[in-house]
Amino acid sequence: EDQVTQSPEALRLQEGESSSLNCSYTVSGLRGLFWYRQDPGKGPEFLFTLYSAGEEKEKERLKATLTKKESFLHITAPKPEDSATYLCAVQAKGDTGRRALTFGSGTRLQVQP
Amino acid sequence: GAVVSQHPSRVICKSGTSVKIECRSLDFQATTMFWYRQFPKQSLMLMATSNEGSKATYEQGVEKDKFLINHASLTLSTLTVTSAHPEDSSFYICSARDLVTNEKLFFGSGTQLSVL
Repeated sequence: EDQVTQSPEALRLQEGESSSLNCSYTVSGLRGLFWYRQDPGKGPEFLFTLYSAGEEKEKERLKATLTKKESFLHITAPKPEDSATYLCAVQAKGDTGRRALTFGSGTRLQVQP
Repeated sequence: GAVVSQHPSRVICKSGTSVKIECRSLDFQATTMFWYRQFPKQSLMLMATSNEGSKATYEQGVEKDKFLINHASLTLSTLTVTSAHPEDSSFYICSARDLVTNEKLFFGSGTQLSVL
């Protein structure tokens, strides 16, 4: 059974204080690892997809990395508008059109001015 | 980018009534759509996989007679919560994958259901 564990559950940072969020996973053959941002009362917003160990992707202040066991979401010099819940999800190999994602419980990030 | 539209965004209903939630892919076709449920401060739990033109596949523990799913076209899936009870109160989110790119999974904005 695919499993995704995210840590920490909650993180409070000062504006400009860089940090990293962790996503550990076990999956029967990784098709892709996804990062999403979710604001309260909204659906998840796509951030990144990573496919193989060693891959990295960046978007503004966010950088996602992937190893064979975990992924990190690095936040550099965060701003208050980065406050949200960040969700990690995995998709196993198979019929990619019909396989759903397995989500972690998320990390609630709060960035204080 | 691809957009998934979900309506209504919020609904309050009396116990025993039925509620229908619509999920539309606006600028792409989706053979498969997924319905998730999310409780406060918890992650998304997959309820069912909706397949265009065929029966939905439900996850273990999800009552198919209570949560009716219809995927009538490549751009529309509906979830009907029948005879709703207070314990059905939750945040329901649909998602769809673009057939062409078959990569990103796009999510609707969610529906907050409150059953009185």
